[in-house]
Amino acid sequence: QKEVEQNSGPLSVPEGAIASLNCTYSDRGSQSFFWYRQYSGKSPELIMFIYSNGDKEDGRFTAQLNKASQYVSLLIRDSQPSDSATYLCAEINQGGKLIFGQGTELSVKP
Amino acid sequence: EAGVTQFPSHSVIEKGQTVTLRCDPISGHDNLYWYRRVMGKEIKFLLHFVKESKQDESGMPNNRFLAERTGGTYSTLKVQPAELEDSGVYFCASSQGSSGVKDTQYFGPGTRLTVL
Repeated sequence: QKEVEQNSGPLSVPEGAIASLNCTYSDRGSQSFFWYRQYSGKSPELIMFIYSNGDKEDGRFTAQLNKASQYVSLLIRDSQPSDSATYLCAEINQGGKLIFGQGTELSVKP
Repeated sequence: EAGVTQFPSHSVIEKGQTVTLRCDPISGHDNLYWYRRVMGKEIKFLLHFVKESKQDESGMPNNRFLAERTGGTYSTLKVQPAELEDSGVYFCASSQGSSGVKDTQYFGPGTRLTVL
């Protein structure tokens, strides 16, 4: 079992809809999670991090963490074509090493 | 403030040759990480420097890979001799290192390495 798992997609949503990206992890001791966005050929860019159970909102983005069920999700409200990218979920271990999922490709159709 | 920079952006070499990748972290960042993404796979950790010291090199594939960070500033990753399976995108990331498991890593644009 992979440490961090994501559906590779592609996930296609119409413009203005809510995009829901999910991630599960295997280590119950994992504390912090990061969502990165990566446009094709570019560097991963941090969107949000979350370390407490519950929701964390930042503009159109909401990260959700459920430690009991070991999943993390990212909701994108009012999706725009410019949100089309690959979204990477990662957990961080005590040493600072990021462990990534495979990434979910999101396509927002005008 | 300049971000993480990497050089070169692309490198195409033949099997058996040597390649050296360079990473310049954000100024003042003590932590420097190397990651790699091979086609179709997730980004995987290679190693972690704190200043000039190797903190964790558990992800280095084998002894053909050598990373250095002299003086605790920029880092180089040398692959010698390169093999076909070394092809991929090599990312460097840096962080301040003051927030533990909440420490944000900032990524460079990556070096795309192709071994023919």
